[in-house]
Amino acid sequence: EVQLLESGGGLVQPGGSLRLSCAASEFTFGIYAMNWVRQAPGKGLEWVSSIGVGGGRTYYADSVKGRFTISRDDSINTLYLQMNSLRGEDTAIYYCARSSGLWWHLDYWGQGTLATVSS
Amino acid sequence: QSVLTQPPSVSGAPGQRVIISCTGSSSNIGAGYDVHWYQQFPGTAPKLLIYGNTNRPSGVPDRFSGSKSGTSASLAITGLQAEDEADYYCQSYDSSLSGSVFGGGTKLTVL
Repeated sequence: EVQLLESGGGLVQPGGSLRLSCAASEFTFGIYAMNWVRQAPGKGLEWVSSIGVGGGRTYYADSVKGRFTISRDDSINTLYLQMNSLRGEDTAIYYCARSSGLWWHLDYWGQGTLATVSS
Repeated sequence: QSVLTQPPSVSGAPGQRVIISCTGSSSNIGAGYDVHWYQQFPGTAPKLLIYGNTNRPSGVPDRFSGSKSGTSASLAITGLQAEDEADYYCQSYDSSLSGSVFGGGTKLTVL
């Protein structure tokens, strides 16, 4: 069964940084595009970022562009999201999700990791 | 304000049919990009329900169906059951934003 396990969330002050990880298993990680989607407390889903096969193509929502960086290490089946200059509105559960290609449906999701930005 | 517009809530009695709409524009659904639907129960991750406008992943009951026309898409649930009570989200691609977009979500209540 496909597994995606996020980690790295926690409490950080405004202006601080966090690095989220998503460990993938039970599928060939390198042939899938990967995505981050977040959900603020009591709110809906918001697409954050996507990365294509090989990592050469990356895309970001306007709300995080210039502050967040998505990357992947196919040698250890892991997806990352480096989050800098964090703001209160970045407080959310961050989910990683797999897709067969960029802009395809998200067929498997992790359980999410909570990032809280607060002083 | 979400790029894709969904009703905040819908409700129906057990056994009834409900439809959840997802309205977009010429830069997303109207441009021909596929619409996907997700189901989310409280405290859990979303789950893929419908992909490519009309397709059901293995294991999803045929009570769930999707359609698309023009700048809108719909999710229909027939034979409503208590366990269908959840939040439902539509998703597509937007060429103006160069990224994925989600609807604001619809809370389904089974009366």
